[in-house]
Parts: sequence; C-alpha cells; structure tokens
Amino acid sequence: GQNIDQPTEMTATEGAIVQINCTYQTSGFNGLFWYQQHAGEAPTFLSYNVLDGLEEKGRFSSFLSRSKGYSYLLLKELQMKDSASYLCTLGGSNDYKLSFGAGTTVTVRA
Amino acid sequence: NAGVMQNPRHLVRRRGQEARLRCSPMKGHSHVYWYRQLPEEGLKFMVYLQKENIIDESGMPKERFSAEFPKEGPSILRIQQVVRGDSAAYFCASSPQSTNEKLFFGSGTQLSVL
Repeated sequence: GQNIDQPTEMTATEGAIVQINCTYQTSGFNGLFWYQQHAGEAPTFLSYNVLDGLEEKGRFSSFLSRSKGYSYLLLKELQMKDSASYLCTLGGSNDYKLSFGAGTTVTVRA
Repeated sequence: NAGVMQNPRHLVRRRGQEARLRCSPMKGHSHVYWYRQLPEEGLKFMVYLQKENIIDESGMPKERFSAEFPKEGPSILRIQQVVRGDSAAYFCASSPQSTNEKLFFGSGTQLSVL
C-alpha cells in the first residue's frame, strides 16, 4: 500500500512563497504528481517528477527525493487565485492507478 | 474542445435508491477512470474502463457498484441500494491511452444520500 502525508492547511499572504511538503511510504511508484483542486472543481495537473530533483514551471516548482521519500511543491509570487487544495499524488506501477494524499488547503490572504 | 463532462453535478438520493453517474470523456479519449473522494480523504481509484471493457475494477466495492463504458454514449457508474456511506464526490478522468500522465478530470458528481 501507499501512505502519503501532507499538512492539512497553510496560510500565506499575496506575493509570498509557500512550500508544501509531502512525505510518503510506498513499495514502489513510477512518478509523483501534484494536482491543484479548487473547491467543487476538477483536480488539474500541475507537475510530474520521475527523477530526483527540481522541476520548474513558471511560478510553480516541484521537487522529488526518492531516497528520502519526500517531495515538495513551491508556489512563488502567490496570487489570490492560488487559494486551493494541493494534492500530492503517487503514480503506481499500474500507470493509471493514482494514489492521492488528502490535500493541503492553501489560503492566500491580501 | 470540451473537457471531461460529468452529470449531474449534484445528486441526492434516499437510502435504498439507485444512483447513476455519467461521464463523457474528452474527445479522442478512449480510456476512462472513476475515482471517489470521501470527506477529508484523498481521491481513491475505483475502476478503469476502455470502450466496452472493464480493465481494472480492483478499487470498486464488490457489491452494489458497477460501471460500464458502452460503444456509444457516456461511461456510467451505477450504485444500487445506496447507503449513507456512499455520500462522496465521484470524479471521472480520461486519457487518450493507458497512462497516468496528465489524466484529465471532470468536475465530479457530489452524491448525497439522505
């Protein structure tokens, strides 16, 4: 099985940086995803890490360390629209079976 | 270019009734996945279908739940004799091939069982 841990809530101010940490325990996975989900809406893909290291995509960056069972999502220059839940997600050996964490709700304040 | 369409967005059923949730994948996508999100929990995989075939239903409860993806029309997730514990958000995702890269999710159906 897979066990994914991430903080439940985080609050930050507009323009700031927030780092959402994710630790996991698993017998194996192909890659680690981060999804964004606004309340009542579909999860949308943010990033995918297969190899260790940092993947940067605009204001969002994601990091993976397989040896440490650790990932983080970095959100820079926070905007009000970034208020959402962020889901740390493992892609299993069966490629279509994603294992989602419970999500971190980020609240951006003016 | 419509995304994954799910309907209804909200569905209210009384205990013992049947719930039918529909999902139309993105154009050109022949692979459909259903996930369930219970309150305060992460999304959980239920079933993976291709046209007219169930590929993997290992995440779906053995009783009362069934899924289909006919040759024509949307994929249907059917829950018979609903109970309060079935109350959840049910999300459908699609992909053009069997891959977990960039699954495209619908907005979900919120099922409430009274």
